[in-house]
Amino acid sequence: DADVTQTPRNRITKTGKRIMLECSQTKGHDRMYWYRQDPGLGLRLIYYSFDVKDINKGEISDGYSVSRQAQAKFSLSLESAIPNQTALYFCATSDLNDTGIQETQYFGPGTRLLVL
Amino acid sequence: QKEVEQNSGPLSVPEGAIASLNCTYSDRGSQSFFWYRQYSGKSPELIMFIYSNGDKEDGRFTAQLNKASQYVSLLIRDSQPSDSATYLCAVNGNKLVFGAGTILRVKS
Repeated sequence: DADVTQTPRNRITKTGKRIMLECSQTKGHDRMYWYRQDPGLGLRLIYYSFDVKDINKGEISDGYSVSRQAQAKFSLSLESAIPNQTALYFCATSDLNDTGIQETQYFGPGTRLLVL
Repeated sequence: QKEVEQNSGPLSVPEGAIASLNCTYSDRGSQSFFWYRQYSGKSPELIMFIYSNGDKEDGRFTAQLNKASQYVSLLIRDSQPSDSATYLCAVNGNKLVFGAGTILRVKS
């Protein structure tokens, strides 16, 4: 089974609709992240969470919200979807090593979202 | 200036050649550096990480880090068509920042 899973894998929705993307992990990591990827722009951080009680905005948080329901679950919501939120969305997890240095981020398979 | 910069490419190399991918970063306090490979429509997967100045080798891949020059590179020896992908550089200072990626095309 995959260590980081995302649901749904593909979603088509209409402008103004609320949509939730879900992420679950079995790696036991405390840190979880949501990114979006657009052609030519690379990965941009939307929100991140270092533990259940810690939620932080990334560089492009406007129009998004998140919920960290448990160590293993981190959900991303689009309260009122708009067409420029059409993108590929990735969830990732990571941890710190014994010296406190950021370790590798492990990515889920992605959710392809189309907002009409 | 972007925090992490990569040439977008595409970088085209013949099969069997060495592919050299480069990345520069702006945060001098960065401590960890990562190279990810991403096939079209797929999620990024880690190739290598490096923490210390110098070279780190893993099979056909070598990561090179020069903190004084704020430069990290990835060499792929004996390039194969299956290496054709986008390569993302990621740099961690107080947060992990990804470059936009370099497209690599290996021609058989």
